[in-house]
Amino acid sequence: QQQVKQSPQSLIVQKGGISIINCAYENTAFDYFPWYQQFPGKGPALLIAIRPDVSEKKEGRFTISFNKSAKQFSLHIMDSQPGDSATYFCAATRRASNTGKLIFGQGTTLQVKP
Amino acid sequence: KAGVTQTPRYLIKTRGQQVTLSCSPISGHRSVSWYQQTPGQGLQFLFEYFSETQRNKGNFPGRFSGRQFSNSRSEMNVSTLELGDSALYLCASSWAGGTGANVLTFGAGSRLTVL
Repeated sequence: QQQVKQSPQSLIVQKGGISIINCAYENTAFDYFPWYQQFPGKGPALLIAIRPDVSEKKEGRFTISFNKSAKQFSLHIMDSQPGDSATYFCAATRRASNTGKLIFGQGTTLQVKP
Repeated sequence: KAGVTQTPRYLIKTRGQQVTLSCSPISGHRSVSWYQQTPGQGLQFLFEYFSETQRNKGNFPGRFSGRQFSNSRSEMNVSTLELGDSALYLCASSWAGGTGANVLTFGAGSRLTVL
């Protein structure tokens, strides 16, 4: 019940295209869903996060869509750029737990071709 | 504002040895969490320290331990190293106040290779 399943494992997109990464969770107690972006040689950095009381959150070219009934959420990167090439991780936790413990998906390596 | 600093960045050890990794959190952050990152298992939570006390622990053997000092700096130790301990060890700090606790800032990691 603690798992977060992420797909696809890798993704190749042409510049200007839309990148879509999907995640599914099992624990209905989860109520905070962040996405992290990691470049080679760097630690993951928070990209965008969503709570289940909203169905969509947009920040620039990055949008999270959330489907509470299906226990799924996804990251859309519009107008993908070569600089977006990185590994993306979805994660989940309970805000009330007030903890640094996040359950991460397995990660998606995105390559944006020029 | 300085980020999360981890030292050393790279290290090579042999099986059976032990290793200590250090993490300096962002100033004002009281929570430090440690994660192990490997290609096969992804990011796995090791443990979290808050105000010098271990607050959460993941599913790792007792060879993995940590501590936190009064200035919030943290160390983790792995004893009797095994080949499978080769990984990137990431430290993350957070304010740990209310909903801000879940917003983690990661360091660049310590890359451990066990031969």
